[in-house]
Amino acid sequence: QVQLQESGPGLVKPSQTLSLTCFVSGGSISSGSLFWSWIRQHPGKGLEWIGYIYYSGTTYYNPSLKSRVTMLVDTSKNQFSLKLSSVTAADTAVYYCAREVRGLGYFDSWGQGTLVTVSS
Amino acid sequence: EIVLTQSPDFQSLTPKEKVTITCRASQSIGSSLHWYQQKPDQSPKLLIKFASQSISGVPSRFSGSGSGTDFTLTINSPEAEDAAAYYCHQSSSLPYTFGQGTKLEIK
Repeated sequence: QVQLQESGPGLVKPSQTLSLTCFVSGGSISSGSLFWSWIRQHPGKGLEWIGYIYYSGTTYYNPSLKSRVTMLVDTSKNQFSLKLSSVTAADTAVYYCAREVRGLGYFDSWGQGTLVTVSS
Repeated sequence: EIVLTQSPDFQSLTPKEKVTITCRASQSIGSSLHWYQQKPDQSPKLLIKFASQSISGVPSRFSGSGSGTDFTLTINSPEAEDAAAYYCHQSSSLPYTFGQGTKLEIK
């Protein structure tokens, strides 16, 4: 049973870069049949898909965040990461990592989520 | 970007009384519509895939229907534990998008 676990600072200052990592256990991140996504949820609000990364490093970012997002994959550590630059209070949210079976589009495994607050 | 609009935003849930949540897409998405349940302080859980396909381990009282632009999640004889937020999600085209959510509370 695959498990995903987010980690990273819970507090980031405005204008700085938010950095999170998702560690995958119980399965290989290098499986050619999987995409790895980041999704966020503003407090008390709905879900927003940030983008995905493939084990090869291929990415797709949501155009609404594309100019500020970078995703990387480290197959040797079985993890992938998210960097969001120039953050503001509007980036305060719970950030989830999730797994998608390539070509199917739905998220069948999620991390527990990590709250990131942007504040000075 | 495809916009998904759910209704209602909020509903009181009476145990054993059928619940229906709808999700309307701004353009046709075929059957590329999935449903998730999110309980407080938990991550979303996949309930239904491709509009109507069941997920192993999900109670049979949850079912989905629809195609094109109009979709429905039905909870037959809901139980108190079904109080949660429910989200639809489309994977027909990038970027993936979600509905705004429907919150079900116990009456």
